[in-house]
Formats: sequence, C-alpha cells, structure tokens
Amino acid sequence: GAGVSQSPSNKVTEKGKDVELRCDPISGHTALYWYRQSLGQGLEFLIYFQGNSAPDKSGLPSDRFSAERTGGSVSTLTIQRTQQEDSAVYLCASSFQRGGGETQYFGPGTRLLVL
Amino acid sequence: DQQVKQNSPSLSVQEGRISILNCDYTNSMFDYFLWYKKYPAEGPTFLISISSIKDKNEDGRFTVFLNKSAKHLSLHIVPSQPGDSAVYFCAASVSRGQNFVFGPGTRLSVLP
Repeated sequence: GAGVSQSPSNKVTEKGKDVELRCDPISGHTALYWYRQSLGQGLEFLIYFQGNSAPDKSGLPSDRFSAERTGGSVSTLTIQRTQQEDSAVYLCASSFQRGGGETQYFGPGTRLLVL
Repeated sequence: DQQVKQNSPSLSVQEGRISILNCDYTNSMFDYFLWYKKYPAEGPTFLISISSIKDKNEDGRFTVFLNKSAKHLSLHIVPSQPGDSAVYFCAASVSRGQNFVFGPGTRLSVLP
C-alpha cells in the first residue's frame, strides 16, 4: 500500500514569507509526527498528533510554527515569517498507535530553503 | 547540547568486512534505543532496537550492542554489502512510546 507522502518535496522561499508543508499519513494510522533535520543535526521532534487528543506541541521551536491535522488524516505544518534558520528537511511520520519507534513510518521529507 | 551523538559523520568499509557504527548519549534516563537507516530522498526506516534490559540484540547481519554504564551503543553489520550504503541514525528515548532524540547520523559507504 501507499506509504507516507509529503509535499512539496522541495521549497525555496524568501525570508519573512509563510510556508505550508503537507503530510499524508498511511491510511488507518492514528498517530502522526513532525520532525525536522537541520544540517549536521539529528532529527528534532516538533509535534505529535494522536487521534482526537490534543497534540503534543512540546517540540515546536517558536510560535511561528503551528500544525493541524484535519479529519484525523492529512496534516499541515505552517511556518510563519520564515527565517534562514528554518532551513531544514521536515519529515513526517505516522504510526498505527503511539508506541515504540519501530512503528513509525517516515515520509521522504520536504527540503525547505529560506533565502 | 546534543543528547545523542554520533561522532563519525562518515565511514567507509570494504564489502564483506564488518561495519561498526557508534553512538553515545548523555541522558542516563534513556532506556530504549533504535537504529534507523536512510537512503537519499527517502524517509528513515527502522532497522533494529534494544532496551536497557538487554546488552545485545541481533537480527540477521545486524547486531546492536548496548553498554549502559558507558552510555554507548554500537551497530555492527557483518558482512557489509553495497546495499547497506546509507545514513544511519541512532535514537533514544526514556521508554517506548515516548519521544525520541536522534543523533546526527553516520554516512556508511560500502565499497565493492
């Protein structure tokens, strides 16, 4: 079946502009995660959705970052007033339920470059 | 300050030999560890895990060793194959189901 998909695969934007990144999780997966990987860094947890529960936003680096998940499926990560330090690969993962890391299936990521 | 460190950004190994990828962590509360493999333009895929109740876990050519006292784990691949060429990430959490902290990755190149 289809895996986790993300769009766009690449995004170049100017500093100060807003961007939206999209994640389509695997059908039936109730848990959805956003991570980012900056150059030379590990995967940094951003936000986690589980079903209808309030999301765990503990990893969001600033209030410029927000995410929503509509209908328990597709998720959008929005970065407002982008800064150059926001340049990174943004990865989405989904899992059937929150559990061990091996249950997470990752998308290919969106490479964001802020000029 | 990185809680999970992979001090070798890259590693080259001859096909058929052993690949050893190392990972160090600073948080003594970490209790569950994973290795992921990532090919270019793809998301990471789970490879192998280990919890602190064990010091070794083996799956085919892949073995993970954990030394809790040294806060160190390693991934051994033997024999290495060209298809193993990828970036390998180490990740740790305080327990299964909790958020993971990832290392920066080590790029492994297996030369034919």
